[in-house]
Amino acid sequence: QKEVEQNSGPLSVPEGAIASLNCTYSDRGSQSFFWYRQYSGKSPELIMFIYSNGDKEDGRFTAQLNKASQYVSLLIRDSQPSDSATYLCAALFSSGSARQLTFGSGTQLTVLP
Amino acid sequence: SQTIHQWPATLVQPVGSPLSLECTVEGTSNPNLYWYRQAAGRGLQLLFYSVGIGQISSEVPQNLSASRPQDRQFILSSKKLLLSDSGFYLCAWSVGLAGLTDTQYFGPGTRLTVL
Repeated sequence: QKEVEQNSGPLSVPEGAIASLNCTYSDRGSQSFFWYRQYSGKSPELIMFIYSNGDKEDGRFTAQLNKASQYVSLLIRDSQPSDSATYLCAALFSSGSARQLTFGSGTQLTVLP
Repeated sequence: SQTIHQWPATLVQPVGSPLSLECTVEGTSNPNLYWYRQAAGRGLQLLFYSVGIGQISSEVPQNLSASRPQDRQFILSSKKLLLSDSGFYLCAWSVGLAGLTDTQYFGPGTRLTVL
């Protein structure tokens, strides 16, 4: 059973702070990991992906991957109220002729003005 | 650039009625296509995926079916809806050949309420 676990939250941080979102996965065969942001009532939007151990930065966002610990995180620097959303972590694995994503249930983030 | 469309945006249907949701992708050829369902406050559940015309793989046994009659068209259907079919239905596409970076992009979704 391929599982991705996230703290459901809600997580609240003040504006300007660093928000830290965490994710663990069960399948060591998973090679790539994706972070999506989902505003209430909307579809998920890709933030970034990571497949190498270590950190990957994209603007205010930093993804971190530790394959030995099967742990993925997303840091949001200088959090803004517009970052308030649910953040979905997903692991990519191969199944037959396609690659599939297994999603966590998401962490709800609220950035307080 | 690529664009993915879904319709209808919202749908209210009685129990036992049929269902047809459509998804089309523009600006790419031979994409992998996916149908997901998201129940209220839950994560995304993969229902079906397709790597080509007429090729459908089912992930969850249920009263739903999917078809891919054209390269960039993906249809989700049901003959008789159940209350448990209510949810947010999302179509997604990916290039399919991008290896570790095979990113899925989501359509705007269809919110289905079964009464």
